[in-house]
Amino acid sequence: QSALTQPASVSGSPGQSITISCTGTSSDVGGYKYVSWYQQYPGKAPKLMIYEVNNRPSGVSNRFSGSKSANTASLTISGLQPEDEADYYCSSYTISTTVVFGGGTKLTVL
Amino acid sequence: QVQLQESGPGLVKPSETLSLSCTVSGGSISSYYWSWIRQPPGKGLEWIGYIYSSGATNYNPSLKSRVTISLDTSKNQFSLKLSSVTAADAAVYYCARDRYQHQLGAFDYWGQGTLVTVSS
Repeated sequence: QSALTQPASVSGSPGQSITISCTGTSSDVGGYKYVSWYQQYPGKAPKLMIYEVNNRPSGVSNRFSGSKSANTASLTISGLQPEDEADYYCSSYTISTTVVFGGGTKLTVL
Repeated sequence: QVQLQESGPGLVKPSETLSLSCTVSGGSISSYYWSWIRQPPGKGLEWIGYIYSSGATNYNPSLKSRVTISLDTSKNQFSLKLSSVTAADAAVYYCARDRYQHQLGAFDYWGQGTLVTVSS
């Protein structure tokens, strides 16, 4: 299975909004609602931020939102804050009953 | 509150078998998908495989020939064995639980991760 495609880096200023894309195929992102997003700080375990394309676990800020169109999912962070600077990974359930991750995106808050 | 803790050797020799365990506390190992995920230094996440509480397993096709995941419900533990390791298998290894009881797709509980180095 091939990794989902994410931009290597994105950046934005405090208060702005950014969007991170995650492109797969009809066998993963495009075929299922089980797309998730994770936030990871250096040296820490990933944290689930979005599940089922656009659902937030309890305790996750509503500044984080998700969407999907065809084979591409997106994570949008609005009202950027310095603490949002981290690595972000998408993942998807696949037709082979496996999970595939994206390559990760480094978010820099300028 | 569910907690996961990885344990096992931090150093494995090339060609040998990497063995790690994940102990689950604060909840039962029943009725969930339990996965192993790894992250080479400076690189992205790679899903290794899962075991369901029934004992059913599935693995990343790229690792399938070398991976075995097993379950010990009496100890509330699940384990990973990766054979014939090379330097490419050096990584932080995480164990994780899926948030769904009957579907694979979102990891809501993670261990802290354990670094495994491959060297003679």
